[in-house]
Amino acid sequence: SQQGEEDPQALSIQEGENATMNCSYKTSINNLQWYRQNSGRGLVHLILIRSNEREKHSGRLRVTLDTSKKSSSLLITASRAADTASYFCATDARNTDKLIFGTGTRLQVFP
Amino acid sequence: EAGVVQSPRYKIIEKKQPVAFWCNPISGHNTLYWYLQNLGQGPELLIRYENEEAVDDSQLPKDRFSAERLKGVDSTLKIQPAELGDSAVYLCASSPRGVGNNEQFFGPGTRLTVL
Repeated sequence: SQQGEEDPQALSIQEGENATMNCSYKTSINNLQWYRQNSGRGLVHLILIRSNEREKHSGRLRVTLDTSKKSSSLLITASRAADTASYFCATDARNTDKLIFGTGTRLQVFP
Repeated sequence: EAGVVQSPRYKIIEKKQPVAFWCNPISGHNTLYWYLQNLGQGPELLIRYENEEAVDDSQLPKDRFSAERLKGVDSTLKIQPAELGDSAVYLCASSPRGVGNNEQFFGPGTRLTVL
């Protein structure tokens, strides 16, 4: 079963625009991670945010975490065509000792 | 540094045939994971190894799936016999230690098609 649900399922934008993806989850977590998957490839880790953190930045990526709402968002600023990929949130849920992935957001960035 | 290596990249078999996937994790990574990813979905854990010990195989359909990591390095995942519903991408990942604070490093996956 998948704990996280991403919203939207698909997103199309123009280069230079910002892209925002949201993730909701069901149980308490130790941390939440975001991964990117290019078509036909494995997943690549982007960023990890711990349950006691509210915001984290890495280059053009900004992640927020609201544990009271059990939700997270990933913002990609000044998007590029190379950002075209699927993006997954993954939660390290307490009491399960495993990483549970969401359903993903498919991002298409048009040049 | 070499990443996680998986082979084959693609496999097409007829139903009821056996199939095996191989994974070599990043050198020094104690933890190895096998995931199943259906089209349009996120990966779902099948089994997790800490060194040579399977510490979580609760999601592995043991009637037809088996896995081994005999020397705590590379691993093999087997399906026998394969069913139509097994068509998916099988991903291997590794990390320096168990989940909690560590990112997982994924291989490119094996895309299985069962006809």
